[in-house]
Amino acid sequence: GENVEQHPSTLSVQEGDSAVIKCTYSDSASNYFPWYKQELGKGPQLIIDIRSNVGEKKDQRIAVTLNKTAKHFSLHITETQPEDSAVYFCAASPSNDYKLSFGAGTTVTVRA
Amino acid sequence: KAGVTQTPRYLIKTRGQQVTLSCSPISGHRSVSWYQQTPGQGLQFLFEYFSETQRNKGNFPGRFSGRQFSNSRSEMNVSTLELGDSALYLCASSPGTIPSPYEQYFGPGTRLTVT
Repeated sequence: GENVEQHPSTLSVQEGDSAVIKCTYSDSASNYFPWYKQELGKGPQLIIDIRSNVGEKKDQRIAVTLNKTAKHFSLHITETQPEDSAVYFCAASPSNDYKLSFGAGTTVTVRA
Repeated sequence: KAGVTQTPRYLIKTRGQQVTLSCSPISGHRSVSWYQQTPGQGLQFLFEYFSETQRNKGNFPGRFSGRQFSNSRSEMNVSTLELGDSALYLCASSPGTIPSPYEQYFGPGTRLTVT
């Protein structure tokens, strides 16, 4: 099955700086890669996703890049704000699988 | 649109008992997935239902089961509870069909504590 590794496990950044989280996956059949943000006491919130036919996608301060050859994808958050503090999860899914395999999560802390 | 709702939000059960958790997906969504979240194992897939049929199943024992009703609402059941079943159980709703078959939106979860 799919195995997703996520790094780093914790990340502390100064407000206004950028944050980068990296994930690798094992199954070359995976073609859907979402990112989730989970705040304390809440369920994961889908913040951005990318499909294998696209190399990069942006949504305001958030961007995701995908390298299918190397089997890795990354989340970039620019101009971080205190409300960006949360646990972030990457995930991967092969087509027609309808199942997400998650990374272990990255706890992001934005220092004011 | 209203989001995914899960009931109950918190539950305390005793070893050996059984429990049923409920999930109402986003209106119009036909796919419901269930995940278990624990500090040690992270987020793990339990099963996925689409139009009342289980399409995929994770690596959990048979004590974990689920079903989906004609209105897309779903329930999952855990029988003969063990201490290790203590977790946050998350339901995710998805259109399940093109153009966005794979996008999953999570509910707030049900926190199950087994004593």
